[in-house]
Amino acid sequence: DVKVTQSSRYLVKRTGEKVFLECVQDMDHENMFWYRQDPGLGLRLIYFSYDVKMKEKGDIPEGYSVSREKKERFSLILESASTNQTSMYLCASTPTGGVYGYTFGSGTRLTVV
Amino acid sequence: GDSVTQMEGPVTLSEEAFLTINCTYTATGYPSLFWYVQYPGEGLQLLLKATKADDKGSNKGFEATYRKETTSFHLEKGSVQVSDSAVYFCALSDQGNNNDMRFGAGTRLTVKP
Repeated sequence: DVKVTQSSRYLVKRTGEKVFLECVQDMDHENMFWYRQDPGLGLRLIYFSYDVKMKEKGDIPEGYSVSREKKERFSLILESASTNQTSMYLCASTPTGGVYGYTFGSGTRLTVV
Repeated sequence: GDSVTQMEGPVTLSEEAFLTINCTYTATGYPSLFWYVQYPGEGLQLLLKATKADDKGSNKGFEATYRKETTSFHLEKGSVQVSDSAVYFCALSDQGNNNDMRFGAGTRLTVKP
């Protein structure tokens, strides 16, 4: 079964820490995405990547960066975690073409204290 | 820009009731349309899709028809079960741009025995 795997389901970090959220897909998809999901705000796109070493800002990139050194792995980095980054983070991938839909990971619930 | 508007929830039904969740879209091109489902504590899963006008997507007893004349993609199920309790998201994707999946706000469905 094809998969998008996020490294942690639950994570608790302290304010000011550097946080890495890892996402790996085994489907050879070109495109990968990071979203955050908050009650009442829906899904908001943070960053996406359409190829190795390529990245594009989404709707809310402030306070985040990303890394895509290999096709299968897309990392989200919180440079200095803050309490307003407490959220559910979802990774997704899709092949090129626009007709396939996204495959999502199970999510990482991050709490910053 | 492209957008999706879906029926606000929450929706509460009794088991075996008929389900409709309304979804309308605004798009300049010819988008693909999707329904995703999110169970508690999980990421989103692709439920069904349609890529052109009059296509019907179906899966697990759920159906939705791509109606270009009414710009709609309503989700239906003839007889819901308790296990269908989840949040449902309508979404569209510009077929020329994988980086532009637009999600609705989500509709929470609760099915009572």
